[in-house]
Amino acid sequence: NAGVTQTPKFQVLKTGQSMTLQCAQDMNHEYMSWYRQDPGMGLRLIHYSVGAGITDQGEVPNGYNVSRSTTEDFPLRLLSAAPSQTSVYFCASSSSGYEQYFGPGTRLTVT
Amino acid sequence: GQQVMQIPQYQHVQEGEDFTTYCNSSTTLSNIQWYKQRPGGHPVFLIQLVKSGEVKKQKRLTFQFGEAKKNSSLHITATQTTDVGTYFCAGYGQNFVFGPGTRLSVLP
Repeated sequence: NAGVTQTPKFQVLKTGQSMTLQCAQDMNHEYMSWYRQDPGMGLRLIHYSVGAGITDQGEVPNGYNVSRSTTEDFPLRLLSAAPSQTSVYFCASSSSGYEQYFGPGTRLTVT
Repeated sequence: GQQVMQIPQYQHVQEGEDFTTYCNSSTTLSNIQWYKQRPGGHPVFLIQLVKSGEVKKQKRLTFQFGEAKKNSSLHITATQTTDVGTYFCAGYGQNFVFGPGTRLSVLP
């Protein structure tokens, strides 16, 4: 099993550009989440999904969209990138909503 | 809203010394999880505590969940250089929230 995979590993965007961060898991987990990690602030939940076709907002959803058309994939879309979205983004999955398996992360810089 | 705090923010220890990090929630938690993140890596699940007053051990690591289910601690006995990283608590109250983490450095 590959576990949770994320692409790209690194990305530089200019203000106003849009892009999609990809996340996939091969563990047949129902729950998937997106977090952003900023220095000294731990991990903050952006959006999450409890199954295909079901998504909900987390703590910091503004500026991001998600969809869950399959169990395996949970892409995160940045609609119009801003410097405040410079961060490390982690995708995570769980079979029960408890123990979470994290992907390797995407380092995003917005200039 | 629900807040989870951790102290200390940083801890530097000499190899062989003990280390403890404390986690406090503003609301009662249904459970608490602990994760470790090595520098440049991703969070890795360590353990989950569910019951009030629960204590669990993993080799040199001891985890406790408070009686009121609003606080928790992680204690490492005789630290090693492999213990270096940031330790996060995370809990389900109103939402699932991570604490800001405690960064541990171990001097050989």
